[in-house]
Amino acid sequence: GQNIDQPTEMTATEGAIVQINCTYQTSGFNGLFWYQQHAGEAPTFLSYNVLDGLEEKGRFSSFLSRSKGYSYLLLKELQMKDSASYLCAVRDSNYQLIWGAGTKLIIKP
Amino acid sequence: TAGITQAPTSQILAAGRSMTLRCTQDMRHNAMYWYRQDLGLGLRLIHYSNTAGTTGKGEVPDGYSVSRANTDDFPLTLASAVPSQTSVYFCASSLTADNTGELFFGEGSRLTVL
Repeated sequence: GQNIDQPTEMTATEGAIVQINCTYQTSGFNGLFWYQQHAGEAPTFLSYNVLDGLEEKGRFSSFLSRSKGYSYLLLKELQMKDSASYLCAVRDSNYQLIWGAGTKLIIKP
Repeated sequence: TAGITQAPTSQILAAGRSMTLRCTQDMRHNAMYWYRQDLGLGLRLIHYSNTAGTTGKGEVPDGYSVSRANTDDFPLTLASAVPSQTSVYFCASSLTADNTGELFFGEGSRLTVL
């Protein structure tokens, strides 16, 4: 079967750095997405990785290792507004998106 | 720009009743999707449409139907609601049908079936 694993919840301090991990086992691989979802709102796109390595976009970076079936989302200089759920999704060989259950990130002052 | 609009925002429905969730996008995207989101589970695809006039079944299609008469609209119908269909429903769209681009989501429709 296909599976995406993420921690259910993480807590971090304002101004700090946090890394959210995602491991996957899917039928093929055609890219990995990270989305942010604030409580009661729609998911919004953060990043996309299809090749190994680090993609940096402002305070957010996303890393991919295809051989390990592993990605992480790195958030720097955390702000209170970063409190949200972070969803990892993998596009499989049929170009269907498989979604993780999401990681709820709690930021404390 | 409106993007994707869903209606209603929330609804309480008696079991056995029918309900249509509406979804309209103004981005001229070819592909549209309906997902449900339940606590502790990832987004699950109900139905999708790669282009106007075509639809396909996702991971959890039973009890739901869709139509895609034009590019902009993609309504989701529950013919006879059951309590297990209590969920938050998200409509989404993407420019291309092969998921090469990001998804744009509507604000969601919270449905409670009693």
